[in-house]
Amino acid sequence: AQSVTQPDIHITVSEGASLELRCNYSYGATPYLFWYVQSPGQGLQLLLKYFSGDTLVQGIKGFEAEFKRSQSSFNLRKPSVHWSDAAEYFCAVVPRGNMLTFGGGTRLMVKP
Amino acid sequence: EPEVTQTPSHQVTQMGQEVILRCVPISNHLYFYWYRQILGQKVEFLVSFYNNEISEKSEIFDDQFSVERPDGSNFTLKIRSTKLEDSAMYFCASSDNQETQYFGPGTRLLVL
Repeated sequence: AQSVTQPDIHITVSEGASLELRCNYSYGATPYLFWYVQSPGQGLQLLLKYFSGDTLVQGIKGFEAEFKRSQSSFNLRKPSVHWSDAAEYFCAVVPRGNMLTFGGGTRLMVKP
Repeated sequence: EPEVTQTPSHQVTQMGQEVILRCVPISNHLYFYWYRQILGQKVEFLVSFYNNEISEKSEIFDDQFSVERPDGSNFTLKIRSTKLEDSAMYFCASSDNQETQYFGPGTRLLVL
């Protein structure tokens, strides 16, 4: 079955530390891939997206993600986390065309 | 920067009542979507809308739901007879090309 998995429900990192959030998908072909962030009480903000081409994509707020076809993964990274990055992060895919399918989300907490 | 807006931000209703959730998509966008997120669960696709008709809907989107674009700017989701299990955050999204969807801040619906 087609699915998106975020294996880590919660992650806690210290401010200034690096971050990697994992995302794996299961689709027949490479879908369009997205990361969204949801801050408390806020909507879903697009961080970055991958459609084709360079497998390392840059997004807003200093985030990047790397698409690895062999691992069906699209992990989100940031070299140095800020306290304001505390939020819930969602990986999502669009097989082609229409509806977004979301992973379960990873809640990031940042220790001072 | 243009953004999707949604009203109201919060809605409390009695079971069996009708509710209408309103969205103003980004002005030059042609594709519109509704998603919902039940507390603690994944964001789920409900429906997509293009050229004044539904282009795709999920199994969640049953006969009690309807969508409409009553004028050139608004996009609404109506729930005819609300149930307790309709309590969720409802997100509207819009897109200009079916590739990238931009989300509103959501309407939190509580059915008592």
